[in-house]
Amino acid sequence: DGGITQSPKYLFRKEGQNVTLSCEQNLNHDAMYWYRQDPGQGLRLIYYSQIVNDFQKGDIAEGYSVSREKKESFPLTVTSAQKNPTAFYLCASSISRAGNTEAFFGQGTRLTVV
Amino acid sequence: GQQVMQIPQYQHVQEGEDFTTYCNSSTTLSNIQWYKQRPGGHPVFLIQLVKSGEVKKQKRLTFQFGEAKKNSSLHITATQTTDVGTYFCAGPSDYKLSFGAGTTVTVRA
Repeated sequence: DGGITQSPKYLFRKEGQNVTLSCEQNLNHDAMYWYRQDPGQGLRLIYYSQIVNDFQKGDIAEGYSVSREKKESFPLTVTSAQKNPTAFYLCASSISRAGNTEAFFGQGTRLTVV
Repeated sequence: GQQVMQIPQYQHVQEGEDFTTYCNSSTTLSNIQWYKQRPGGHPVFLIQLVKSGEVKKQKRLTFQFGEAKKNSSLHITATQTTDVGTYFCAGPSDYKLSFGAGTTVTVRA
């Protein structure tokens, strides 16, 4: 089945540790996105990538890092520099690099830092 | 940069009633998309509007794109419990997709 897969669904980490969230898609989409969602809030863009080996900072990139070494993979690392990392993280992809086509979302990873 | 704003943030609706949620952009949009996120779930694409003044219907949902392509609305008639969730609008800007804060809908049976 084609789709976008995030793993794990739930993740617990101790404060001060880096953690990497996985995002894989087999839709052959060029564009991939990472969003953060806090309770009762909308989707805030962390990073996005329009093509392999290239990515751009979104609105809240501080404390996060990404890589795009393969078209199908766009992992997000939450570093210890992120002051409030507990949140719901959503990965998305779209066929268009211009952001003007439907975005497909993964199931999300709920990160809790204790 | 572009900002997409949605109102209201929360909508409490009696089952069977109608309601409308609104989306406004600070800049002209080439298109606007609407998504629905069920509680505990992830956003799912509903529809995309491209043309000025465009109106599209999906059963009880009616989507409109403003004449100036800076605003949009989602109108739901005869609300059902299955309509519960958060509705987001999203618009492209600088090769990224920017989302509004969403309207969270609860339904009283």
